[in-house]
Amino acid sequence: GAVVSQHPSRVICKSGTSVKIECRSLDFQATTMFWYRQFPKQSLMLMATSNEGSKATYEQGVEKDKFLINHASLTLSTLTVTSAHPEDSSFYICSARDPRGKETQYFGPGTRLLVL
Amino acid sequence: GESVGLHLPTLSVQEGDNSIINCAYSNSASDYFIWYKQESGKGPQFIIDIRSNMDKRQGQRVTVLLNKTVKHLSLQIAATQPGDSAVYFCAENHQGGKLIFGQGTELSVKP
Repeated sequence: GAVVSQHPSRVICKSGTSVKIECRSLDFQATTMFWYRQFPKQSLMLMATSNEGSKATYEQGVEKDKFLINHASLTLSTLTVTSAHPEDSSFYICSARDPRGKETQYFGPGTRLLVL
Repeated sequence: GESVGLHLPTLSVQEGDNSIINCAYSNSASDYFIWYKQESGKGPQFIIDIRSNMDKRQGQRVTVLLNKTVKHLSLQIAATQPGDSAVYFCAENHQGGKLIFGQGTELSVKP
């Protein structure tokens, strides 16, 4: 299957700082990527849809000014958690849809964020 | 609102037995469903998918059944192995490619 990577895999930061997470499709071009957040023992919650060359579409309740998404190329989307607080600590996962296949989405390995 | 849910949050099976994980969905207009496996600390891994014009689809040791009448989806794993231990999510494809995930079932395989 298609390969999606994320960087970093784990990050610890101080409260008030900003953290950038990268999501890359390694062997295909993705015009659309998705960002999810997952708290322990819970399901994945869609945060936003990242569209190459245009603004991201955020789900209800997700603050667009806090979670900045940039999809500057067909293989890279970034999520920046601005002014992070302990409640932002979570597992952030991206996915990308391989246009060569069906609607199947391939997920990255996730980024564990811990805000102290 | 629309949701995809699971009946069983945890499932414990003996190695070699078959496993059945269930999922209920609420949007009768959904036409594409996916099962994902998520191991601890990792991203979801695609297992198998099914379109609404099918009732059954088989893969290697896995079978997905779709009952549109009662809006029910199930994942059957044959001859369950310790490596199958993980959390399993069903997901419902919405317009624009957005996936709505169920709550997940944790499968534990006893040796």
